[in-house]
Amino acid sequence: EPEVTQTPSHQVTQMGQEVILRCVPISNHLYFYWYRQILGQKVEFLVSFYNNEISEKSEIFDDQFSVERPDGSNFTLKIRSTKLEDSAMYFCASRAADQPQHFGDGTRLSIL
Amino acid sequence: GEDVEQSLFLSVREGDSSVINCTYTDSSSTYLYWYKQEPGAGLQLLTYIFSNMDMKQDQRLTVLLNKKDKHLSLRIADTQTGDSAIYFCAERADSWGKFQFGAGTQVVVTP
Repeated sequence: EPEVTQTPSHQVTQMGQEVILRCVPISNHLYFYWYRQILGQKVEFLVSFYNNEISEKSEIFDDQFSVERPDGSNFTLKIRSTKLEDSAMYFCASRAADQPQHFGDGTRLSIL
Repeated sequence: GEDVEQSLFLSVREGDSSVINCTYTDSSSTYLYWYKQEPGAGLQLLTYIFSNMDMKQDQRLTVLLNKKDKHLSLRIADTQTGDSAIYFCAERADSWGKFQFGAGTQVVVTP
């Protein structure tokens, strides 16, 4: 069965550095999402992406964050100038029209 | 605003049925979902129900939806040790498909 794949599984970064989290959505899906889960807390919506543009974003997704679909297969989340509070598990998801979202296994981001 | 609430913990004996409950506030939700998260893993879709349905059964899983009370439940029949995990209820909050998740219910299955 097709899967959403995320790399790396664990990323350790110094505070203030930029980080790029990568996702390969399922190939025929058109809608893409990023969520994050701070340890012990709820899974929170960050951003949705459709037709090469952001369709919706939460208040968490400020100017520090950006998303890109650079080549038709990858979907990336960039965090500029990381802060300690960005430490979390980041999940990518994708879906086809009127279908449930399928999630990747997540990238654990640790900011030191 | 939108909110999804779940009880945080459920302990059940192997072979018994588990019932995990969820309440939501957004009456315009079109789909409601159950996801399972095992330690260190991602979110695995278990089942989902469209808002015009009352019940959906899929092997050992039964989803009940009470739209009037905005209450969703997941029943797992013949619970096994492999069912130990965190179970998340989620509603599809808008046409772009943004999900609103509950905090998750930790299910512990004891022998």
